[in-house]
Amino acid sequence: GIQVEQSPPDLILQEGANSTLRCNFSDSVNNLQWFHQNPWGQLINLFYIPSGTKQNGRLSATTVATERYSLLYISSSQTTDSGVYFCAVSAGGTSYGKLTFGQGTILTVHP
Amino acid sequence: GAVVSQHPSRVICKSGTSVKIECRSLDFQATTMFWYRQFPKQSLMLMATSNEGSKATYEQGVEKDKFLINHASLTLSTLTVTSAHPEDSSFYICSARTPPGYYGYTFGSGTRLTVV
Repeated sequence: GIQVEQSPPDLILQEGANSTLRCNFSDSVNNLQWFHQNPWGQLINLFYIPSGTKQNGRLSATTVATERYSLLYISSSQTTDSGVYFCAVSAGGTSYGKLTFGQGTILTVHP
Repeated sequence: GAVVSQHPSRVICKSGTSVKIECRSLDFQATTMFWYRQFPKQSLMLMATSNEGSKATYEQGVEKDKFLINHASLTLSTLTVTSAHPEDSSFYICSARTPPGYYGYTFGSGTRLTVV
C-alpha cells in the first residue's frame, strides 16, 4: 500500500514563529488532506489539496503531485495552533476512499 | 454542511461487555463510511469500510467478529465492540466521503473507549 511519511515528528516554536511541515507519499494520489487534531481528538480538516496551492488565513499548503510531496505552512504561530498535524492520502483502484495517514507532527507553540 | 456526528464521545465499560458506537451523517447521505482506530500518541489506522446495505470489508488483521459493523441506512453506521477487553481501549473515529460541492473526507468527533 501507499506509504506516507511526515516530518519533523516534533516541532517546538515560540509564538509568532513560522513553520513548515512536510508530507512525502510513495505513489500517485487522488486525495490529500491536512488535518489538525485538537486535544479532544477531533480532526479538523485544514486543506483538501491533491495538487496545487491553497491559503486560508495564516495557513497555506502546497502539493507537488509529480514529486509526491506536500507542505503545510503555518505563519505567525499561536498557542492555539498546538496539537498534532496529520497528512492523509488516498489512491485509486482497490484503495479508493481509504485514507492512509502519516505518523503526524506534534506541534507545541509556547507563549 | 457535510457534518458527521459520532456518539458517545466517551465510554467506560467492564471487560466482557459490548459497546456500540454510532456514526451519523447529519446533512448528507453516506453510502460508505470508514472506521479508524487510534492508539495513544499514534496515527489513525483504518479498521473497516462500512457499506450501506451490504457487509463491511475489514482491513487485514482486524477481527470482524470482535468489531461488528452495521450500515443499515444511508445516514447511520454503527460499530459494536463485542466482549471488550482492556486491549480494545482506544480512540475510535468514523469518516465519510463528503457530498458533491465539498471535497475530501469528513470525520466524526471520535469515541474514547476505556475497558476496565
